Amino acid sequence: GQQLNQSPQSMFIQEGEDVSMNCTSSSIFNTWLWYKQDPGEGPVLLIALYKAGELTSNGRLTAQFGITRKDSFLNISASIPSDVGIYFCAGQRLNYGGSQGNLIFGKGTKLSVKP
Amino acid sequence: GAGVSQTPSNKVTEKGKYVELRCDPISGHTALYWYRQSLGQGPEFLIYFQGTGAADDSGLPNDRFFAVRPEGSVSTLKIQRTERGDSAVYLCASSPTIDQPQHFGDGTRLSIL
Repeated sequence: GQQLNQSPQSMFIQEGEDVSMNCTSSSIFNTWLWYKQDPGEGPVLLIALYKAGELTSNGRLTAQFGITRKDSFLNISASIPSDVGIYFCAGQRLNYGGSQGNLIFGKGTKLSVKP
Repeated sequence: GAGVSQTPSNKVTEKGKYVELRCDPISGHTALYWYRQSLGQGPEFLIYFQGTGAADDSGLPNDRFFAVRPEGSVSTLKIQRTERGDSAVYLCASSPTIDQPQHFGDGTRLSIL
């Protein structure tokens, strides 16, 4: 199935560093969402974006909905150890006629702690 | 609890067997979604319900897969004649309406031997 292009695939963080990841698509989306998934658990919603150009923060997390509606980025400032995990972007095309409510996900960005 | 509940959390069965996976959505959420996640990948859409009806089942891989939501709340994903390639984590999500964010359960890890 279709998946979004998410980068980087993985990165190592040191406590206190800022982190940035992004997601691109060849198609337009109405909504962009960012989720975090820890091992053995389901994805947990971090931020939802609904308008092109929208910039939204949730604590140390900031995400933006690209102007073209084909991309989004997520920044984490001053990372802490509990930020490790896998971050997924997801796009949604809404069709109020009943279909196309599903999310299309990227392959994820895995954050690990620098050894 | 207040979140999406999925049972069982793990299921191991032999090739060819029939399995049922259950999802109990957040109370009051009319939209319910099933996704499948393979190792190292993001979740992939299977089917979505608006109330009792399947609004979009275009993600179901073949006719061995079927899902129901008879009373508009709990949903069951059914897989017949399981194959080893069906091994994955099956995730369920719900949202109040189609245009509000989806909240996920912890999934059922299905292993076909």
